[in-house]
Order: sequence, then structure tokens, then C-alpha cells
Amino acid sequence: NAGVMQNPRHLVRRRGQEARLRCSPMKGHSHVYWYRQLPEEGLKFMVYLQKENIIDESGMPKERFSAEFPKEGPSILRIQQVVRGDSAAYFCASSLTSGRNLKNEQFFGPGTRLTVL
Amino acid sequence: QKEVEQDPGPLSVPEGAIVSLNCTYSNSAFQYFMWYRQYSRKGPELLMYTYSSGNKEDGRFTAQVDKSSKYISLFIRDSQPSDSATYLCAIFMNRDDKIIFGKGTRLHILP
Repeated sequence: NAGVMQNPRHLVRRRGQEARLRCSPMKGHSHVYWYRQLPEEGLKFMVYLQKENIIDESGMPKERFSAEFPKEGPSILRIQQVVRGDSAAYFCASSLTSGRNLKNEQFFGPGTRLTVL
Repeated sequence: QKEVEQDPGPLSVPEGAIVSLNCTYSNSAFQYFMWYRQYSRKGPELLMYTYSSGNKEDGRFTAQVDKSSKYISLFIRDSQPSDSATYLCAIFMNRDDKIIFGKGTRLHILP
């Protein structure tokens, strides 16, 4: 039973380019969360999505960042016009049902490490 | 004041020693207290969680919560080199879906 899959594992972009990060949740999971881990910082919540819906985007920067979780296919975190400060590890997690009950554990993927040159 | 404070370390201890990892938090409304372990270049994995004050034990690991002082701890007995990782404390409120993490403490167990 495969866990949460993220690709690419490493992504290098130049300033101004776009970055697309993909997350395939665990089989049967319909809830996806994105977190960002900056160097020497803890994981910070960005956005929570269910299939075709954004439930909570309170941690997303107001500009250049967007996320989607279409009916078919992986969840996508998109960063437009990347800047050096976007360099970080981006982790995706998935849960079977709503994370509002902690018994529905969030399982994390291995992360995508974004480097902006 | 940050919601969760955690000393980043690094913390180095000899194999077999008891390890104590700690965090403080600011909001008394938080309900669930968790510890995650993150190996280098990997995603975090949930080790243990507790609800309300008290202790919870799982093998060599004991999680402790003191809500009166807003203090959470993780103890590792008989530490092994394989325990070398970053340990993240985290908190969670039932009405939210987001987990709030501490910065993590890097732990090195010396053989």
C-alpha cells in the first residue's frame, strides 16, 4: 500500500519561473494538506483541500501561490514567479477523513525540495 | 509570542541514555499534543499523541503533558543510534484541520 507520493523530489527554478509540485494522497484518502518547511523553521500549514474544494487556505501567501485538488489526478501546489525566499521543503499530507478528528491521522509524503536560483 | 516554542538543539547523548525533549505552548485551548519524528530528507511521521494532561507510554517512548504550565515532553529510554532524527512537537485543535508544529529538535545518539 503506497504512502503519500510527491514529485518531483527536487526542483530547481530560476527567479521568475513557475514551480508545480504534485501530491498523490494515500489510496482512499480524499483530504490533502500542504505544509512548508523553511530552513531552520518548523512546518507551517499552508492549505487544506478536499476533492475539488479548498477548505482552508489561511496559511497560503496571498499572491503567487495556488493549490488545487481535482476530481481526477494529484493535488497541485503552484508557485508563480518564484523568488529566492520560496526555497524550502514542501510537504503534502493526506488523511482518510477530516483532520478535525485527530484519530484521522495525517500521513506525510517525503516532500519536494524547491531551490530558487 | 509563538504558539509553540521548541529548542532546536542539536542535542547529543550517548547510546543508552534517557533523552528528554520539551516544548512550551501559549494557547490553553489546544487539545491534542503530538510528537513527530523526521529523519533527514524524509517526511515527518507521527510517534505519539496525547489528549489533555497526563502521561502516555509506547515502548521506549513516553509523552507527557502539563496543561497547567503549558509544557509538553517526550522521553526516550534506552536511546539507540536509530533514534537520531529531528523531533517535532505539534499541537492541534479539534475545530481546526491544521497542525501547528514547533521548529524541531535535532537529536544525535552517539554509539
